[in-house]
Amino acid sequence: QQQVKQSPQSLIVQKGGISIINCAYENTAFDYFPWYQQFPGKGPALLIAIRPDVSEKKEGRFTISFNKSAKQFSLHIMDSQPGDSATYFCAAPRGGGADGLTFGKGTHLIIQP
Amino acid sequence: DTEVTQTPKHLVMGMTNKKSLKCEQHMGHRAMYWYKQKAKKPPELMFVYSYEKLSINESVPSRFSPECPNSSLLNLHLHALQPEDSALYLCASRWGDTQYFGPGTRLTVL
Repeated sequence: QQQVKQSPQSLIVQKGGISIINCAYENTAFDYFPWYQQFPGKGPALLIAIRPDVSEKKEGRFTISFNKSAKQFSLHIMDSQPGDSATYFCAAPRGGGADGLTFGKGTHLIIQP
Repeated sequence: DTEVTQTPKHLVMGMTNKKSLKCEQHMGHRAMYWYKQKAKKPPELMFVYSYEKLSINESVPSRFSPECPNSSLLNLHLHALQPEDSALYLCASRWGDTQYFGPGTRLTVL
């Protein structure tokens, strides 16, 4: 059972536009929601993370919006740049006291110049 | 320094070979992980070490054998792998809730 559902699978955005990636989760006990950015041939790098006690967190051009009642969270990339072209994964703790993260299926983002 | 290092970067091995992957971190993190990532897929958890003890084994075949010699080092010993084991093997360590990933070892099994 997939605990974190991510959409869209792929996304093409024009330079300067806003990229939006969505995730939905099942387990209301989840208390930490990170987004990772991965370039080809590299390991995932933490981009930004949020806890359920806040509805929004912003770091530079990256913003997480969190909707606890809908059990959804999304990543917004403002003023998208070609260097943002990468695969983005949302994640959540595996739950039930088990260590480790469970990841969404990923979004392949392409920013066109 | 939030760096996790992995060696080698690339590894090609035959199905009868024995090889090892190495992961190192000097951030004082006491939880370390091995993940497997196939092309165009998310990372999948294989093993978790907490305070140098194996705490989680996600039903990984015995041809993968993890080892944690000390708090800074994590190894993954490989033996009699199959071509379907070809993937990017990622090591991570954790501080608080944040997991820091290494660059991975690209493994090809012939």
